[in-house]
Amino acid sequence: AQSVTQPDIHITVSEGASLELRCNYSYGATPYLFWYVQSPGQGLQLLLKYFSGDTLVQGIKGFEAEFKRSQSSFNLRKPSVHWSDAAEYFCAVGAVKGGDMRFGAGTRLTVKP
Amino acid sequence: GAVVSQHPSRVICKSGTSVKIECRSLDFQATTMFWYRQFPKQSLMLMATSNEGSKATYEQGVEKDKFLINHASLTLSTLTVTSAHPEDSSFYICSARDEGGARYEQYFGPGTRLTVT
Repeated sequence: AQSVTQPDIHITVSEGASLELRCNYSYGATPYLFWYVQSPGQGLQLLLKYFSGDTLVQGIKGFEAEFKRSQSSFNLRKPSVHWSDAAEYFCAVGAVKGGDMRFGAGTRLTVKP
Repeated sequence: GAVVSQHPSRVICKSGTSVKIECRSLDFQATTMFWYRQFPKQSLMLMATSNEGSKATYEQGVEKDKFLINHASLTLSTLTVTSAHPEDSSFYICSARDEGGARYEQYFGPGTRLTVT
């Protein structure tokens, strides 16, 4: 069965600094990978997804993620964080395209002024 | 396109009553929808997979008699929390799979916050 690990529960960065959120997955075949962002009391917004092809995926709001099969990772990055990026970030893995997804525990991002 | 709505967005009910939550795909048809549950400051946990015209598939540990799922049409799935108790208070999120063309992607609703008093 697929599973996702987000090692960092809470990360604090200064506004303008770079950001990397870690995600490791466990799945026997090529997974479908996603990053979502959730503001307090809100639903999920898809930042980006990887299905196949180029392992460096560009998303919305200046985010990108890189699929590294050898490390079973799909880390999310942003070169310069904005205060509005403060939120909860979830990595998710799906076994098949459009199938049910398993979510990581989430990483809460705090942005210092 | 690819919008999923949920109704209500918030609901407060008394212990022992039942609550129905609707999940609609507004601009596409969805044979398959998913129901997730999220406790405060925790991740989303898949509860069940809702299949149009057939019985839902529940994840291990989820009581199917307590969380009734009906997927009567290609655009609507409902989750009914029966005999709700305070421990059922949670954020319930649905998603729908867009099977049109080559999309076959999953889209999430905005969630429903249930509070049982």
